[in-house]
Amino acid sequence: SAVISQKPSRDICQRGTSLTIQCQVDSQVTMMFWYRQQPGQSLTLIATANQGSEATYESGFVIDKFPISRPNLTFSTLTVSNMSPEDSSIYLCSVARDRGEAFFGQGTRLTVV
Amino acid sequence: SQQGEEDPQALSIQEGENATMNCSYKTSINNLQWYRQNSGRGLVHLILIRSNEREKHSGRLRVTLDTSKKSSSLLITASRAADTASYFCATSNRDDKIIFGKGTRLHILP
Repeated sequence: SAVISQKPSRDICQRGTSLTIQCQVDSQVTMMFWYRQQPGQSLTLIATANQGSEATYESGFVIDKFPISRPNLTFSTLTVSNMSPEDSSIYLCSVARDRGEAFFGQGTRLTVV
Repeated sequence: SQQGEEDPQALSIQEGENATMNCSYKTSINNLQWYRQNSGRGLVHLILIRSNEREKHSGRLRVTLDTSKKSSSLLITASRAADTASYFCATSNRDDKIIFGKGTRLHILP
């Protein structure tokens, strides 16, 4: 298994500001994934963060809005930029093991007012 | 983008009954996984089934996979109140991305 620490666990932010979410894993992993879960919905993959290269974004998500850093094999950040109320969601980071199963942080519950 | 579609979207059953949830997906996969999410909490990995497997068991859970029909089912036997949660199927392919379905909300009635 993997232990993933994500912070902050929750935040209330003003529209137009940015929030950076941190994700720390207790072991080295090649790929880290960032998801968004809007209220009452499933998880939607935002991007894949690889160490040493640019993140790969899914359709509908762009780097200017969700810049991602991956400075080493145990850490990543996701920034939600120029926030609007529509960005209110739970944001989760995840890693996948060789066996294929994914482990998730507890998520960051973001409310934009 | 969503890969899987769970069916039903919501399910209410009496405690002690069996609960069956289905998942259909669109593209070829390496494996399929089921997760549970209690309200407002993180996701818990339940079981993974690989594309060359047809059935797996884990405690009260039984998962089947039919790659010809691109579908999977999750059976929870002898349901308990603690099983009340949302259940998601998720698929993984060669690029290791895990794509989630829309989920089934399961409510166990006392």
